[in-house]
Amino acid sequence: GAVVSQHPSWVICKSGTSVKIECRSLDFQATTMFWYRQFPKQSLMLMATSNEGSKATYEQGVEKDKFLINHASLTLSTLTVTSAHPEDSSFYICSAGGTDTQYFGPGTRLTVL
Amino acid sequence: DQQVKQNSPSLSVQEGRISILNCDYTNSMFDYFLWYKKYPAEGPTFLISISSIKDKNEDGRFTVFLNKSAKHLSLHIVPSQPGDSAVYFCAAYFSGTYKYIFGTGTRLKVLA
Repeated sequence: GAVVSQHPSWVICKSGTSVKIECRSLDFQATTMFWYRQFPKQSLMLMATSNEGSKATYEQGVEKDKFLINHASLTLSTLTVTSAHPEDSSFYICSAGGTDTQYFGPGTRLTVL
Repeated sequence: DQQVKQNSPSLSVQEGRISILNCDYTNSMFDYFLWYKKYPAEGPTFLISISSIKDKNEDGRFTVFLNKSAKHLSLHIVPSQPGDSAVYFCAAYFSGTYKYIFGTGTRLKVLA
């Protein structure tokens, strides 16, 4: 099946720094990618829809200035957590795909000290 | 408003028996329903999907049933194996919006 990769898989950073997470579709082109966040014991929360060549669409309650999304090409979307704080520590997952399925990346665990 | 609900947070089943995971939804406009399996610290893996025009889809040990009148779908795993132990998410999808709405997940434990 289609493969979506994420980099890095785990990142630890100091409070106040910015962290960039990459999401790549390895064997298909994705005009749309999605970014999710998962808290312990909770479901996946859709943060935003990343559209190639245009601005991302953010879900209600998600700060677009804090979570910057750039979909620069048909195979790459990036999520930058700006001025990270400990409460941003979470598991971030991206996905891409077609109508009847979505392929998820392996996730990135962010720990903000 | 939780449009997709998985009311059982956990389920334990003996190896070889059937696992039945349930999911309820509120919006009759959903076009597709999907099941994902997730291991700790990994991204979800797609398992099986079903279109709203069907009532059953089977893939190996996995079968998904859709009851549109009851707005209910279920995932059957037969026979259950210890490697099936994971969290299972159901998701619903609107055509044209590319928006997937996930349930809260059910943790399945298959006992050897």
